[in-house]
Amino acid sequence: EADIYQTPRYLVIGTGKKITLECSQTMGHDKMYWYQQDPGMELHLIHYSYGVNSTEKGDLSSESTVSRIRTEHFPLTLESARPSHTSQYLCASSERYNSPLHFGNGTRLTVT
Amino acid sequence: GQQVMQIPQYQHVQEGEDFTTYCNSSTTLSNIQWYKQRPGGHPVFLIQLVKSGEVKKQKRLTFQFGEAKKNSSLHITATQTTDVGTYFCAGTIQAGTALIFGKGTTLSVSS
Repeated sequence: EADIYQTPRYLVIGTGKKITLECSQTMGHDKMYWYQQDPGMELHLIHYSYGVNSTEKGDLSSESTVSRIRTEHFPLTLESARPSHTSQYLCASSERYNSPLHFGNGTRLTVT
Repeated sequence: GQQVMQIPQYQHVQEGEDFTTYCNSSTTLSNIQWYKQRPGGHPVFLIQLVKSGEVKKQKRLTFQFGEAKKNSSLHITATQTTDVGTYFCAGTIQAGTALIFGKGTTLSVSS
């Protein structure tokens, strides 16, 4: 059963477009994360949030931005998509700092 | 930079053979977690180790956390085709910080 939802599942978009990847969780978790992962490769943390109105950049430099206005919602926005943004974006949440991560199904983004 | 190293990157085994992946950190970890990602899927949490020298078992899977809390291993006994996927370790370097993932070990199993 999925308690963390990501939409869209797949997205193909042209260069220069603005896009928002949606992530919502119903578990009431304070901690939420965005990871970028190329197929079969490592996970790179690009953004995280420890609660409402709290956002931090992760280890991987990213041209995306995030917001956390509500506990359950953590959208990621790309103001101007480029082919280098083609990747899978995984959203995750956890109850506490050291708690297990619950991942969404991911959004596979292709920028042409 | 990468602070959690994982080896090997790839491993192919015949069904029934054992498999081990190793995770190493240059600094002490407060805890370590293991995840499995099936091809085309998302990472799924397997287990968390917190105590120095801790060993946990899940059926054919055995997880260990080193005495110095700088390394960990996942051992699968008698692999099956259902074990195929990428296994990630992830550690917390400092309390209150986000998990750092290793690069993963991709396991393939031939029958």
